[in-house]
Amino acid sequence: EAEVAQSPRYKITEKSQAVAFWCDPISGHATLYWYRQILGQGPELLVQFQDESVVDDSQLPKDRFSAERLKGVDSTLKIQPAELGDSAMYLCASSAELGAMGTEAFFGQGTRLTVV
Amino acid sequence: QKEVEQDPGPLSVPEGAIVSLNCTYSNSAFQYFMWYRQYSRKGPELLMYTYSSGNKEDGRFTAQVDKSSKYISLFIRDSQPSDSATYLCAMSGISGNQFYFGTGTSLTVIP
Repeated sequence: EAEVAQSPRYKITEKSQAVAFWCDPISGHATLYWYRQILGQGPELLVQFQDESVVDDSQLPKDRFSAERLKGVDSTLKIQPAELGDSAMYLCASSAELGAMGTEAFFGQGTRLTVV
Repeated sequence: QKEVEQDPGPLSVPEGAIVSLNCTYSNSAFQYFMWYRQYSRKGPELLMYTYSSGNKEDGRFTAQVDKSSKYISLFIRDSQPSDSATYLCAMSGISGNQFYFGTGTSLTVIP
């Protein structure tokens, strides 16, 4: 069964260090999302790509966060420098087609980040 | 006011009970409504997906959407311990390109 792959599953980093997460969406899915989920809360969108283009990054803290999807397939989310408040689950999701009916988002297992 | 409101619980029920989970929303443009199940330390998995108003049934799960009241529900019949998880509602507009999530309701089904 096709699935969204994320790595690493867990990451512990010291504050002020750089950290990066990787996501490989379901094959053929043009839309890719990065969400942040703080414990006890729902996912909040950080950035959304359509192919290699950013559709929405209005909630991405651009002073420290960056995201890219260079070839319109896999994607990397980077934090530099990491802060204690960045500790959360970072979820990647993909969906088949922007604006199409039946556009469910499928999630990966997430990367749990702990900043110490 | 948040776009989507969901009671975080926690909710604890005995095995075999009927569970009702609910979300309200404020944006009348929402057309797609989803329920995700999230086990501890895992990513959300899609359970049910509904377009516009009405009911949808899948096994022990029934999703209901009442757009006039801006209210959606997920019913779980004959609940099982394996249903113990956090249930997230999510919704999006006609373009279907941005999803708004509730905070999730934590459910425990006691054997």
